Amino acid sequence: GQNIDQPTEMTATEGAIVQINCTYQTSGFNGLFWYQQHAGEAPTFLSYNVLDGLEEKGRFSSFLSRSKGYSYLLLKELQMKDSASYLCAVRANDYKLSFGAGTTVTVRA
Amino acid sequence: GAGVSQSPRYKVAKRGQDVALRCDPISGHVSLFWYQQALGQGPEFLTYFQNEAQLDKSGLPSDRFFAERPEGSVSTLKIQRTQQEDSAVYLCASSLESQGYTFGSGTRLTVV
Repeated sequence: GQNIDQPTEMTATEGAIVQINCTYQTSGFNGLFWYQQHAGEAPTFLSYNVLDGLEEKGRFSSFLSRSKGYSYLLLKELQMKDSASYLCAVRANDYKLSFGAGTTVTVRA
Repeated sequence: GAGVSQSPRYKVAKRGQDVALRCDPISGHVSLFWYQQALGQGPEFLTYFQNEAQLDKSGLPSDRFFAERPEGSVSTLKIQRTQQEDSAVYLCASSLESQGYTFGSGTRLTVV
């Protein structure tokens, strides 16, 4: 089976930085994805890591360590619109994504 | 279309009723997935199609759940004799290559 853990909730102030950690134990590894999901909406793709290291895309960065089964999503210069659920997902084979329960981030003014 | 389209957006069913949920993937996307998302949880895999072939249905929770994609584009997820535990958001996703998965907004099913 797949075991993917991430914190349930995080709160941060507008303009600040928040780091969402994800640890995983899966039967295989073929990439790690981060998605953003606003309430009642579709998950939208944020980032993809398959090799160790940091991937930067604007205000969002994602890091992967395969040997540690660990990833984080870094959100910089937080804005109110960043309040959402952030989903960590691991692809263990050629196609199937397994998701964590999601981390609800609340940005306060 | 530009995105993955799902209908209906909301469905209320009486316990025991059959329902059919539709997914229109992005044109040309070979791979199609169905996921079930309970409140406050991440999506759980239900089934996977490559064109019209259903290659993995290991996540379907019971034989009351059935999915098809007869012409390799539109897909339907059917739930027979709905139960209260079937209440969830059903998400469809499509993909052209192995990296990008585009999700629809889902169908919120409430069984009363």
